[in-house]
Amino acid sequence: EDKVVQSPLSLVVHEGDTVTLNCSYEVTNFRSLLWYKQEKKAPTFLFMLTSSGIEKKSGRLSSILDKKELFSILNITATQTGDSAVYLCALNFGNEKLTFGTGTRLTIIP
Amino acid sequence: EAQVTQNPRYLITVTGKKLTVTCSQNMNHEYMSWYRQDPGLGLRQIYYSMNVEVTDKGDVPEGYKVSRKEKRNFPLILESPSPNQTSLYFCASSSLGVAGLSYEQFFGPGTRLTVL
Repeated sequence: EDKVVQSPLSLVVHEGDTVTLNCSYEVTNFRSLLWYKQEKKAPTFLFMLTSSGIEKKSGRLSSILDKKELFSILNITATQTGDSAVYLCALNFGNEKLTFGTGTRLTIIP
Repeated sequence: EAQVTQNPRYLITVTGKKLTVTCSQNMNHEYMSWYRQDPGLGLRQIYYSMNVEVTDKGDVPEGYKVSRKEKRNFPLILESPSPNQTSLYFCASSSLGVAGLSYEQFFGPGTRLTVL
């Protein structure tokens, strides 16, 4: 039972390109959606989204949540080789139990 | 330095031999959690704890036990490990906001477990 689906599974782009990663889900009742970046080790936190339509931004990364259409996107502009990683999204269903998607593997070619 | 530590980092063991993976955090976080990560399946939550003596099952609790006797520690116990528990395990901790889990989770460095 996949409650959190990320797409694409894998993406290879050239340095400088802009990428959009998707996270879709099936439930309507959740407290927050989180994005993480995982390089070779443990995931590191990027964003937490709770409200629909409000963009969160950090440098070249931004994310937005659409609660009506049941998805979130993570945008990375002017990509760099250091952006190569697996990007994970997770849903907090309100009981503090987190369900993660399988991730999108992003590879940036110099 | 604020951190989550796990021990051991690597462990190879045999089926049926009880083991414990320790997790400790120095940030006074209420929330702690264990995940396993397997290729193609992503991160799956095993157990979580919202405070001392409060633990709940995640998505894949079978074959695991946890305890939360102190706020800083959240050990993961495998009473009788089996090969299907070979995986990469992460411990994480977080503060709890007024409305629940409102802050980022800090992950430990991971424990790679192989059960032969």
